Amino acid sequence: GENVEQHPSTLSVQEGDSAVIKCTYSDSASNYFPWYKQELGKGPQLIIDIRSNVGEKKDQRIAVTLNKTAKHFSLHITETQPEDSAVYFCAASNPLGGGNQFYFGTGTSLTVIP
Amino acid sequence: DGGITQSPKYLFRKEGQNVTLSCEQNLNHDAMYWYRQDPGQGLRLIYYSQIVNDFQKGDIAEGYSVSREKKESFPLTVTSAQKNPTAFYLCASSITGKSQPQHFGDGTRLSIL
Repeated sequence: GENVEQHPSTLSVQEGDSAVIKCTYSDSASNYFPWYKQELGKGPQLIIDIRSNVGEKKDQRIAVTLNKTAKHFSLHITETQPEDSAVYFCAASNPLGGGNQFYFGTGTSLTVIP
Repeated sequence: DGGITQSPKYLFRKEGQNVTLSCEQNLNHDAMYWYRQDPGQGLRLIYYSQIVNDFQKGDIAEGYSVSREKKESFPLTVTSAQKNPTAFYLCASSITGKSQPQHFGDGTRLSIL
């Protein structure tokens, strides 16, 4: 099955700096890669996603890049703010698997220092 | 507002007891999912359902059971056979089909007394 690895597990940045979180996946058939933000005591919230026919996608201060050849994708947050502090999860979806199953990374705890 | 409602937010289970976690959605989604989240680990799929009266096991289904009698509801029962049930349980839903965004509720935290 698919295996998703996520790095780093913790990340601290100064307010205003950029943050980058990286994920790798193992199955070249995976074609959909969402990113979720989870605040303490809450469920994950979808913040951005990318499909395998696109190399980059941007939404205001958040961007995601995908390298299909290397099988890795990254989340970029620019001009970080304290409210960006949360745990971020990447995921990969393989259309060959059953249903709409996602395979999640282990999460990155981001702290933005004011 | 459309969304997913999980209840209760906190739940305590005694040894040997079955407990049921509720998940309701008003997004008109056909597919629903249950995940388990443990500290330092990603979300792991317990069960999923693509349509009413049908459900499939995920990666860690042992000790759990589900039903899907209504489109809006997908309750999860944690049985006494689940030896390590303490975790954060998350319900999600999506439209039918592969590679579709999943939308999550705010979870139920289950602890053992």
